[in-house]
Formats: sequence, C-alpha cells, structure tokens
Amino acid sequence: EAQVTQNPRYLITVTGKKLTVTCSQNMNHEYMSWYRQDPGLGLRQIYYSMNVEVTDKGDVPEGYKVSRKEKRNFPLILESPSPNQTSLYFCASRRLAAYEQYFGPGTRLTVT
Amino acid sequence: DQQVKQNSPSLSVQEGRISILNCDYTNSMFDYFLWYKKYPAEGPTFLISISSIKDKNEDGRFTVFLNKSAKHLSLHIVPSQPGDSAVYFCAATFSDGNNRLAFGKGNQVVVIP
Repeated sequence: EAQVTQNPRYLITVTGKKLTVTCSQNMNHEYMSWYRQDPGLGLRQIYYSMNVEVTDKGDVPEGYKVSRKEKRNFPLILESPSPNQTSLYFCASRRLAAYEQYFGPGTRLTVT
Repeated sequence: DQQVKQNSPSLSVQEGRISILNCDYTNSMFDYFLWYKKYPAEGPTFLISISSIKDKNEDGRFTVFLNKSAKHLSLHIVPSQPGDSAVYFCAATFSDGNNRLAFGKGNQVVVIP
C-alpha cells in the first residue's frame, strides 16, 4: 500500500530535550515536505526537499532541522524544543513534477 | 501574509443538500488549485484540483469552479453525505519547478443526517 508513515504519532516532551520525528514514504517520490498545523493558521510549510541531499526552508523553519540522506526518509529534528513548537505536524511527499501531495497521519507534539 | 483565504470557518448542511465552500487568493501567479479533505486524527487527502486554464472540473459529487478574474474558487459537493463531514483545505501553487503549496486555514463541514 502506497503510504507516508510518521513516528511517533503522539509525543509529550520537555523544553530543550532534543527529539526527532521520522517520516518515510514508499512511493519513490522525489519531493518531501514537513508542515505544521495550528488552530486558525492552517498548514504552514517548515522545510522541504526536492531530492536526496537537497533541502530548503519553507515558511516557518526557525527551530527545526531536516536531513535527506535517503530518498524514502525525511526526519524532522527539533534540537531544543520550546512550547511554541507544540503543534500537529504532517509529513508529505509527491512526485517532483506533480502537484498533489500525499500526507502522513500526523504527529501531535506537546512541549511543556 | 495569507495568500489563500477561506472565510466562514464552519458550515452545517443537511444530508442530500449542496455544500459550497469558498476560497479566495491574492497571488495572480497561482496557476493550479487543489482541495484537500481532512478527517480527525488523519492526514489531509487530495480531493480534486483545477488548472488555471479551466473554469470547472468535476469528479463525481465534487465540482470545483475557478473564477480567475475574481481570484476565487469554490468547491461544490452534491449531494452531501454524512461521510463528507471533515475539514476542507484550499491550496494553490504556481508552476515554478518547486510547486510549493500555499494552504488556506480550512473549513469545517458538518453534514447532518
């Protein structure tokens, strides 16, 4: 089954404790992206990658890092999480020439 | 600055009737538009799209209309079904090789049986 998977689905952590949210897709898509969804703000792009070893900032990249060492994986790293990073995070992927993105199920992160 | 705007955050409609969701955009460079549907505890799923060279695209019960001069698009769901109860996001992009999506804030639709 074609899908985007994220882990963990739920995470509660404390300020400053480094964490990684994993994302993996099995559709051989070149493009992968991370979004956060906050009430009243919709989906905002954090980082994206157009292929292996090619990453770039989205609209709200502050406080986040990403890496793309393999085509299928695109982890989101929070080196020092803060409460304002409490949010619902989605990973997405698509073919490079396409418009439609496939989203993962989401990771709900709470930083206390 | 929000380039894609969805007003009227929630909509309640009787089963069998039409649901109409509206979306306005500010960037005239946008040339492709998409609607996504999202259920609670799931990621958004692609619903329907339209290119700027068209003014209408239909897929079963779902039709999207585009009015380029007004920078406005709408999604019609006819007839509405209880399974259509979800949040609907409007998104827009332009063909610059990156194809980044700009999303609206979403509309909650509740279909009453």
